[in-house]
Amino acid sequence: GAGVSQSPSNKVTEKGKDVELRCDPISGHTALYWYRQSLGQGLEFLIYFQGNSAPDKSGLPSDRFSAERTGGSVSTLTIQRTQQEDSAVYLCASSPQGGPTPYEQYFGPGTRLTVT
Amino acid sequence: KNQVEQSPQSLIILEGKNCTLQCNYTVSPFSNLRWYKQDTGRGPVSLTIMTFSENTKSNGRYTATLDADTKQSSLHITASQLSDSASYICVVYGNTDKLIFGTGTRLQVFP
Repeated sequence: GAGVSQSPSNKVTEKGKDVELRCDPISGHTALYWYRQSLGQGLEFLIYFQGNSAPDKSGLPSDRFSAERTGGSVSTLTIQRTQQEDSAVYLCASSPQGGPTPYEQYFGPGTRLTVT
Repeated sequence: KNQVEQSPQSLIILEGKNCTLQCNYTVSPFSNLRWYKQDTGRGPVSLTIMTFSENTKSNGRYTATLDADTKQSSLHITASQLSDSASYICVVYGNTDKLIFGTGTRLQVFP
């Protein structure tokens, strides 16, 4: 079956513009995660969805970042007024269920965002 | 502070050789520990998942160990292949829905 897909694969934007990143999780997965991977850095947790609700938004770096999930499926991560430090690879992952159980997370290929 | 530290930062080995990657963590409470392989330009792919009660888990030529008392884990790769060249990421899951990622070990396997 299809894995996690993300679009666009690459995005170049000018500083100050808004961008929307999309994630299509594996069908039937209730948990969805967004991460950010900056050059030479480890993955940084941004936000977690269980269904359409986000019990943990603590990783969002500023109020310029927001995310939503509709229909328990597709999620969009929006970055407003982009800054150069937002340049990174944004990864999405889905899991059959969330919570502190060892369900495997399946990652998408990521969106490489470059802010010029 | 919850942290996951990996060593070495990078490693070069010859094809056919074995290697061991290390992971130390301070995450508490601890739920499970995962090792991921990330090829360049791709998302991470899970290799192993271990709960605190498991000491070892294998996936083909990959064997992960866990010592929950010392909060250390290792990933042993046997008979390395060129396709093993990748970043290997240790990830620890506490009691929240948040994973703590290590910065990874960059492994290069040369013929």
